[in-house]
Amino acid sequence: EVQLLESGGGLVQPGGSLRLSCAASGFTLSTYAMSWVRQAPGKGLEWVSAISGSGAATYYADSVRGRFTVSRDNSKDTLYLQMNSLRAEDTALYFCARGQGRTTYFFDPWGLGTLVTVSS
Amino acid sequence: DIQMTQSPSSLSASVGDRVTITCRASPDIGTYVAWYQHKPGTLPKLLIYAASTLQSGVPSRFSGSGSGTDFTLTISSLQPEDVATYYCQRYSSAPFTFGPGTKVDIK
Repeated sequence: EVQLLESGGGLVQPGGSLRLSCAASGFTLSTYAMSWVRQAPGKGLEWVSAISGSGAATYYADSVRGRFTVSRDNSKDTLYLQMNSLRAEDTALYFCARGQGRTTYFFDPWGLGTLVTVSS
Repeated sequence: DIQMTQSPSSLSASVGDRVTITCRASPDIGTYVAWYQHKPGTLPKLLIYAASTLQSGVPSRFSGSGSGTDFTLTISSLQPEDVATYYCQRYSSAPFTFGPGTKVDIK
């Protein structure tokens, strides 16, 4: 069974950092693009970042470019999101999601998410 | 400016009604659009990709159409379990933006 399990969320002060992880099982991570998508409280889905199957290509939303870094360790079947200079508006439930193939960026399945709260 | 818009933002319909949600893309994205269903407290579910291809396991009452800049998601006969928010998403190239969502309720 294909599963994605996010971890690493929590409460952090503005300006702080967090690293999210997404552990994949049931498939070979290197053969799929992966992405992070977030949902702020009461808001819709917002695409955050994506990475190709090899890791050679990375993409970011304007709202996080320069502050967030996506990476992957295919040997550990794990996707990461390093989040620096966090702001209150980064407060959200962060989902990881699998693309379709190495460079196709629509998403299925999704994880259950990990909650990030940025507050003093 | 790359945008995905949806209309309406919310709707209320009766069980058995035909429901149509519209998504508009700027610029042209061919047929590189996907649709998702998201119920509160659950993970989002892929319904349709390539504008009109039904994901495996999705009920046939869901269908998609369109190309270029205008797309529609149709529920042919609304069921109580279809109460959710529906999102379109572009994937022709980055940014892989989602639309703002359409909340569907039962009247």
